[in-house]
Formats: sequence, C-alpha cells, structure tokens
Amino acid sequence: GQNIDQPTEMTATEGAIVQINCTYQTSGFNGLFWYQQHAGEAPTFLSYNVLDGLEEKGRFSSFLSRSKGYSYLLLKELQMKDSASYLCATDQTGANNLFFGTGTRLTVIP
Amino acid sequence: DAGVIQSPRHEVTEMGQEVTLRCKPISGHNSLFWYRQTMMRGLELLIYFNNNVPIDDSGMPEDRFSAKMPNASFSTLKIQPSEPRDSAVYFCASSFQASGGEETQYFGPGTRLLVL
Repeated sequence: GQNIDQPTEMTATEGAIVQINCTYQTSGFNGLFWYQQHAGEAPTFLSYNVLDGLEEKGRFSSFLSRSKGYSYLLLKELQMKDSASYLCATDQTGANNLFFGTGTRLTVIP
Repeated sequence: DAGVIQSPRHEVTEMGQEVTLRCKPISGHNSLFWYRQTMMRGLELLIYFNNNVPIDDSGMPEDRFSAKMPNASFSTLKIQPSEPRDSAVYFCASSFQASGGEETQYFGPGTRLLVL
C-alpha cells in the first residue's frame, strides 16, 4: 500500500526559513519528489531524492531518509512568491506513476 | 519546447452532457498521465499510458470515464454522461521513462471542469 502524510497548512514570515515535512509508507519505494503548485496553476517540479541526505538547489533544499520513510523540503530566505502548496510524491521501482500527498499550503506573511 | 498542452482550459457543461478533454504531451516523452485534483481529495491519478498503451486505469472512477491515446502526441479523457461531482481540475502530465532513471513528470496547465 501507499500512504503519504504532510501538514495541511503552514505559515511563515518573509525572510525566514521553513521546513515542510513528509512521511511516507510506499511498497517498493524508489524515490521522492517535491512539487510546487501556486493557486490556480499546475504543479511544477522542484526536486527528486533517491539517496539519503540533503540536496541543495539555491534557496530550496530537500532531504531524504529512506530508513525512516521521511523527507523534508527546506525553504530559506522566504519570499512572498513562495506562498504555494508543496506536494510530496513517491515513485516505485518498476512503475512510472507517482503517488502524491495532499500537499502543504504555505502562506508567507510580511 | 511548448510543454504539455491541454484543451480546453475551462469547460462548463450541464449534467448528462459528454465532456472531452485533450492533451498533447511533450515531444519525445513516452509516458502520459491523467490526474484529477479537488480540494477534498488532492491530486489523484486516473490513468497512465506508456508508449501509448494504458498501463494502470485503476484510478478511473467508473465506467463513465474513458481515456485513449491513439498516438504518441495526443490523448483524450472523456466523461459520458457527466455529473456535478465530476467538477474538478483535470491535469495531464508527461514524462520520459528510461530504465532505472528518474521519471520527472511535467504537468499541463489543467482543464477546469464545472458540471452544473
């Protein structure tokens, strides 16, 4: 079976750092994706982790622990435009479909 | 690259009518996915194709929903007859599947469907 848990909503202040957590139970787990979705728009790819550890891409970093079934997305130097939903998704070995969590809606306030 | 193209962008119809949603994947991609997104249920996979062949349609809600991919550059999702509970945003996504590789999916802009 598959299950993904993320907080439903988070609020953070402009210029701050926020960490969005994701826990998963996925049979045949292969890797974990993070997507960003602004209101009324399509999801866009942010990151993909297969190996344990932290991967950094500018202001955004993503971490994976395969043994703990845990990932987080770290956003630094928050900007107002970072207000969006952040979707955690897993893929499985031998299958090319993704299973998405319900997303975390992040609101950045001045 | 134009990205994934979907049409129409918005559709308002009456209950009982047939609705056809269209998708053109990114050129060179060999996998295509249809999703439905609602506030209550989030993003749900309806069906996906690999090399134009349907692989998993277990997410298709019921027989009123059907999807086809007649060639590598075109797919349709049809709802007949439509019902108010089908109101949602329908996304098409495509990816290139390489053996053992990352399969990032790229999403189209979506079709906002409202069934009255």
